[in-house]
Amino acid sequence: AQKVTQAQTEISVVEKEDVTLDCVYETRDTTYYLFWYKQPPSGELVFLIRRNSFDEQNEISGRYSWNFQKSTSSFNFTITASQVVDSAVYFCALTWTNDYKLSFGAGTTVTVRA
Amino acid sequence: EPEVTQTPSHQVTQMGQEVILRCVPISNHLYFYWYRQILGQKVEFLVSFYNNEISEKSEIFDDQFSVERPDGSNFTLKIRSTKLEDSAMYFCASRGHGANVLTFGAGSRLTVL
Repeated sequence: AQKVTQAQTEISVVEKEDVTLDCVYETRDTTYYLFWYKQPPSGELVFLIRRNSFDEQNEISGRYSWNFQKSTSSFNFTITASQVVDSAVYFCALTWTNDYKLSFGAGTTVTVRA
Repeated sequence: EPEVTQTPSHQVTQMGQEVILRCVPISNHLYFYWYRQILGQKVEFLVSFYNNEISEKSEIFDDQFSVERPDGSNFTLKIRSTKLEDSAMYFCASRGHGANVLTFGAGSRLTVL
């Protein structure tokens, strides 16, 4: 079965705290791609990162970092020194096809309070 | 930066009515998608489209749904006879040849009364 689990429904932090969002996936395929998308209150889906199954290097982009561990089937996302503008729903997603039929997790709502 | 444009941003309709949601993908993209998000739930794949035909569709995409690329720029999703449970945000996305990321539009919120 192909499945993405985001166990954290909501996370609330105070500005400047770090936030880690968990993502656990299941797939039978050896080649697959993992994504994180941000959905701000305005509703659009904003692409953050893509990772393929052969690239386990962790990545940092500004205040964002991602930790991909195939051994635990996890692709976690950390926001360092959170800001109010980081308040959004964050979705982890998986595709195992070249057709980009994305399978999304349920999303984690992050609220950053000033 | 190129973007995917969706209209209308919000549509309210009566149950049983036909609805057409419109999308203008990024101009040189070749692969098109519709996804749906019922309020408070996950985003779900509906259909993918390439070379003027459906590549893949989910079990949600039944006979009430259809997609069309009527001209060189638009990509539409039609719901023939809307049901209450069709109320959702509908996202269009597109992807260029050889690209590995979908670009999503801002979504069209459909409310069926």
